[in-house]
Amino acid sequence: GAVVSQHPSRVICKSGTSVKIECRSLDFQATTMFWYRQFPKQSLMLMATSNEGSKATYEQGVEKDKFLINHASLTLSTLTVTSAHPEDSSFYICSAKQGLEEKLFFGSGTQLSVL
Amino acid sequence: GEDVEQSLFLSVREGDSSVINCTYTDSSSTYLYWYKQEPGAGLQLLTYIFSNMDMKQDQRLTVLLNKKDKHLSLRIADTQTGDSAIYFCAEREGTALIFGKGTTLSVSS
Repeated sequence: GAVVSQHPSRVICKSGTSVKIECRSLDFQATTMFWYRQFPKQSLMLMATSNEGSKATYEQGVEKDKFLINHASLTLSTLTVTSAHPEDSSFYICSAKQGLEEKLFFGSGTQLSVL
Repeated sequence: GEDVEQSLFLSVREGDSSVINCTYTDSSSTYLYWYKQEPGAGLQLLTYIFSNMDMKQDQRLTVLLNKKDKHLSLRIADTQTGDSAIYFCAEREGTALIFGKGTTLSVSS
């Protein structure tokens, strides 16, 4: 089956620094990628949808200047958390969709801890 | 946004059937999904059902959809300890998915 690789799986950073998370589709072209955030004991919340070559569409309440999303190629999307603060600590997970295929394929997630 | 609700915990004995329930609110949802999340891993798609279907069976998994009541259930027959995980139901909103909070299934031997 299709594989989505997300890296890093865990990152600890200091407050005020920026962190980049990568999401790669390894054996298919991901026309659309999604970024989700999951707080402890809560559901996944969609942050943004990105289509290759165009600007990401952010969900209401998600700061686009803080969570920069780049989907420059059909196999790579990145999420950069800029000037991270402790409240940004969370589990971030990406998913990818191939064309009109119904299935979504998920990365393994990134646990971000901001000190 | 739309809400997807599911119970948080379910505990069963090995060999019994597990039934995980979910309710959703968007009547225009075309697809509904069940995902499994094992500890430390990403989400794995278990199955999905199109909204014009009432039931879908795939080996030990049976999905029932009551569109009138906006109720979705996942039945796992002959539950095994390896089925212990968090199960998320999700509904389609546009091209993205809206997830429930997840049901933690605990299987005891």
